[in-house]
Amino acid sequence: IVMTQSPVTLSVSPGERATLSCRASQTVNSNLAWYQQKPGQAPRLLIYGASTRATDIPARFSGSGSGTEFTLTISSLQSEDFAVYFCQQYDKWPLTFGGGTKVEIK
Amino acid sequence: EVQVVESGGGLAQPGGSLRLSCEASGFMFPNSPMSWVRQAPGRGLEWVAGISATFSHTYYTDSVKGRFTISRDNPRNTLFLQMNRLRAEDTAVYYCAKEGLYFDHWGQGALVTVSS
Repeated sequence: IVMTQSPVTLSVSPGERATLSCRASQTVNSNLAWYQQKPGQAPRLLIYGASTRATDIPARFSGSGSGTEFTLTISSLQSEDFAVYFCQQYDKWPLTFGGGTKVEIK
Repeated sequence: EVQVVESGGGLAQPGGSLRLSCEASGFMFPNSPMSWVRQAPGRGLEWVAGISATFSHTYYTDSVKGRFTISRDNPRNTLFLQMNRLRAEDTAVYYCAKEGLYFDHWGQGALVTVSS
């Protein structure tokens, strides 16, 4: 299953809302996760089950969607949120990731 | 605190071998599926292999089938990735990740460089 993320780069001002998209080449039901990765660090799980926040993830992060279309929304960007975000499907083997969206400061 | 710590990365020649280890602590390792995920320099994430908890069923991405072997030693809380017949395109940071479907804890990664 091919996962396509858009946009590749998103320029946002602190305090603004960011909306990231992830599309699957076939249905993955709700078996989708989102990760955040900062330079030089390992990824961190944000969302699983398309919409369930992982432990200790702030409420400004929310996930939605099912089937083939998914969205990660960051309601009010904080300085620590500027990073690369990846989606990943776990409906079918092999597990696959999207190419990532870089959220940068506008 | 959940921790997974990789070791064993380094430089290998094309066609050579390396063995990665991942020591786990802070959770019931024998009950947890585990995975390896890699990231080539400046690139995205690629799931490499996974292993189930109880019966050690294994799963691989196509590009490493027949070359890489994932295994686990539950009494030692350790995950392994034996990498044989290495290719230049295997150059990446290899992350050990807890769970088998989505990954709730990651190590800091082990750099594997395949070059002559």
